[in-house]
Amino acid sequence: QSVLTQPPSASGTPGQRVTISCSGGSSNIGSNTVHWYHQLPGTAPKLFIYSNDQRPSGVPDRFSGSKSGTSASLAISGLQSEDEADYYCAAWDDSLSAYVFGPGTKVTVL
Amino acid sequence: EVQVVESGGGLVQPGGSLRLSCAASGFTFSSHWMHWVRQAPGKGLVWVSRINSDGSSTTYADSVKGRFTISRDNARNTLYLQLIGLRAEDTAVYYCVRGSSYYDSTGFYLGEVFDYWGQGTLVTVSS
Repeated sequence: QSVLTQPPSASGTPGQRVTISCSGGSSNIGSNTVHWYHQLPGTAPKLFIYSNDQRPSGVPDRFSGSKSGTSASLAISGLQSEDEADYYCAAWDDSLSAYVFGPGTKVTVL
Repeated sequence: EVQVVESGGGLVQPGGSLRLSCAASGFTFSSHWMHWVRQAPGKGLVWVSRINSDGSSTTYADSVKGRFTISRDNARNTLYLQLIGLRAEDTAVYYCVRGSSYYDSTGFYLGEVFDYWGQGTLVTVSS
């Protein structure tokens, strides 16, 4: 059972906006920043959003992150077929003294 | 170019041991905290352990505490993970991950992010 909660799947047609939620608690998202990682099948994860809403260089501005209280979200606008991947949220947990990941959300482009 | 390359995975019997290595290049290894993250087949990401830049401080997930040991050799730019008392549930791809600190505009420390991942090494625990 993951400390962070994400929907198992999300989908949309090309061009649509898709939002993935990540819910936690006061010891993780509530008191620390949230990061998002993107993973294509058979490849290593890649950092996509850090510190709640910052994009590393090379990540398209179609991707945006936000955080409010003990929840965070990743939005993909103008969905493209190449966006099909698994997306994981993550944060440090002060109570566990450990990094925690969400279970991942598989994004499908219909 | 930043690179982290894992090695040392393989098939091991329950109760057995392995040592994973991670060779780092393209950055000042001794300036970064380093981590291990694992992913069981078809499952999600699980953080395993971290070590600070000079190797004096380590942290472990409860699931591996007392069985896994993280260490580093800054002279060789190499990170290690010693695995003992392996169980079937330890079967996973183990990723070596670089941590990078980030700060706000005033210089206040905000946290650490996993900014470079290796391709992983598969550990299979089975009889």
